[in-house]
Amino acid sequence: GESVGLHLPTLSVQEGDNSIINCAYSNSASDYFIWYKQESGKGPQFIIDIRSNMDKRQGQRVTVLLNKTVKHLSLQIAATQPGDSAVYFCAENNAGNMLTFGGGTRLMVKP
Amino acid sequence: KAGVTQTPRYLIKTRGQQVTLSCSPISGHRSVSWYQQTPGQGLQFLFEYFSETQRNKGNFPGRFSGRQFSNSRSEMNVSTLELGDSALYLCASSPDRGEETQYFGPGTRLLVL
Repeated sequence: GESVGLHLPTLSVQEGDNSIINCAYSNSASDYFIWYKQESGKGPQFIIDIRSNMDKRQGQRVTVLLNKTVKHLSLQIAATQPGDSAVYFCAENNAGNMLTFGGGTRLMVKP
Repeated sequence: KAGVTQTPRYLIKTRGQQVTLSCSPISGHRSVSWYQQTPGQGLQFLFEYFSETQRNKGNFPGRFSGRQFSNSRSEMNVSTLELGDSALYLCASSPDRGEETQYFGPGTRLLVL
């Protein structure tokens, strides 16, 4: 994923609303992408993945969209809950198991 | 299944010392990767081990090294510690080499004084 620098962008949403987190990736040859959630003091937690032969994949309350034309990923979280508050990272698998991570987006859910 | 475990969880060292961190992958996982996470650089790939062999290496100096044992457990070592090595070191495992989901441990937080 493209590093967006050291400043973490923040998305603030109201509980119950939908959240959309965006990510630009850098390598047009990447064909596997993962979204991770990281809570304070913990390691990244797998949320959902998608391969490049798909443009959409749905999980429980989460949907990942992949636009290979513009090298863009998005994570949609439905009915956002306070427990969704965390930093979200997209990652692209470049070769083997070498993940390149985006800079992350902090999601804050207001009760 | 138990998740990825890392020891120790916290570590304080001084400049010039060396440190060894340990990672136990999820049972049955054969690939172990290491990442460094800092506020400044984000999450960066260090190296990946599979079947006791280093398969991929990130852009880190030779002071950073690792190894994998026959039971897939892995260690990473940092020699001649610098202040900038202060970071959260994360280990991730996956079943096999290739494009598969990597599952992360809680990390080891290293502080270099």
